[in-house]
Amino acid sequence: AQKITQTQPGMFVQEKEAVTLDCTYDTSDPSYGLFWYKQPSSGEMIFLIYQGSYDQQNATEGRYSLNFQKARKSANLVISASQLGDSAMYFCAMNPTRGSYIPTFGRGTSLIVHP
Amino acid sequence: NAGVMQNPRHLVRRRGQEARLRCSPMKGHSHVYWYRQLPEEGLKFMVYLQKENIIDESGMPKERFSAEFPKEGPSILRIQQVVRGDSAAYFCASSPPAGGEQTQYFGPGTRLLVL
Repeated sequence: AQKITQTQPGMFVQEKEAVTLDCTYDTSDPSYGLFWYKQPSSGEMIFLIYQGSYDQQNATEGRYSLNFQKARKSANLVISASQLGDSAMYFCAMNPTRGSYIPTFGRGTSLIVHP
Repeated sequence: NAGVMQNPRHLVRRRGQEARLRCSPMKGHSHVYWYRQLPEEGLKFMVYLQKENIIDESGMPKERFSAEFPKEGPSILRIQQVVRGDSAAYFCASSPPAGGEQTQYFGPGTRLLVL
């Protein structure tokens, strides 16, 4: 069974500052993928970044980076130089990369970027 | 390359009616997933389909809910005899054929309101 824990229901950050959104996971699968999605107030789910469990380097996509610490089972999202448009819900998710690929989502973290 | 398409975006039904939600995956994607999101919560997996096959429906209620992904046409999530508790956002996601990264790309969702 898989489990994703996002312990921060809400986060505040000032514009242009960096922010870290926490995500820890638990799984018995030897191979898995970790994802972050953004859900703005308009409701759509936007894929941000992916990290494979065997990837040696932390994933980066523009201002997003994933701080992957396998031994700690954490996959924190770092957003650098926050923008007002980053205000949204952020969901961490994982799935096994073999078998059913069924993902598990965390409950989300609400990020508010203020000027 | 068009993304995942869902229609309708909003659907209002009275108790006891049927709701049909449609999802067209991204071009080249053969896997479709349906999720339900209640207010203030993360996404809950419902069903995973490939063309003409239900792979995993462990998250779908046994009664009133059904899903299909025919050889031709969109995937359909059907809810019969809707009740107020079915009011939620229903998201469809698609991913490429098996192997490698299995990033899921989401549609804009269908907001179902049961009166």
